[in-house]
Amino acid sequence: EDQVTQSPEALRLQEGESSSLNCSYTVSGLRGLFWYRQDPGKGPEFLFTLYSAGEEKEKERLKATLTKKESFLHITAPKPEDSATYLCAVQPHKSYGQNFVFGPGTRLSVLP
Amino acid sequence: ETGVTQSPTHLIKTRGQQVTLRCSSQSGHNTVSWYQQALGQGPQFIFQYYREEENGRGNFPPRFSGLQFPNYSSELNVNALELDDSALYLCASSPTGVFHGYTFGSGTRLTVV
Repeated sequence: EDQVTQSPEALRLQEGESSSLNCSYTVSGLRGLFWYRQDPGKGPEFLFTLYSAGEEKEKERLKATLTKKESFLHITAPKPEDSATYLCAVQPHKSYGQNFVFGPGTRLSVLP
Repeated sequence: ETGVTQSPTHLIKTRGQQVTLRCSSQSGHNTVSWYQQALGQGPQFIFQYYREEENGRGNFPPRFSGLQFPNYSSELNVNALELDDSALYLCASSPTGVFHGYTFGSGTRLTVV
């Protein structure tokens, strides 16, 4: 069964304190791994797609990396506006279109 | 600004009732999916529609059904509502063949009492 876990469940950082979020997955063939940001009461907002082990993507203070069993979302010098829930999702090869398997998310709070 | 609009934003229904949620996608987005997100959890795939036909379904019973219309709008229907159906329902759309970066709506918060 395809499964995604994320850790930690919640993370509190001081502004400027860098850290990493973890996404571990088991999937019967990976088509892609996705990171989303979700603000309270809103739908998920796309951040990155990673397709193969060793791949890295960057956007502002965020950097996503991928290995064969996990992905990391590194946050460098975070700001309070980075506070949100970060969701990881995998798309199995056997799936069609938008059948993503999401993890439970990591709730990030960045304090000023 | 999201190109996917969902209505209503909030809804309260009684157990056993039926509900219809609506989604309007961007022009050209002929693939639409619906997800259920319980409080504190990640979204769970309900089903996907492509060119007005269901072509993928998650682990949800038949009382969850949908429709997709030629004008890029779609509906999620849930019959015989149960308390556990209380959740945020998300619609997501993309153009055909795009496997990343698809757009989510802000969701409909359904409460079943």
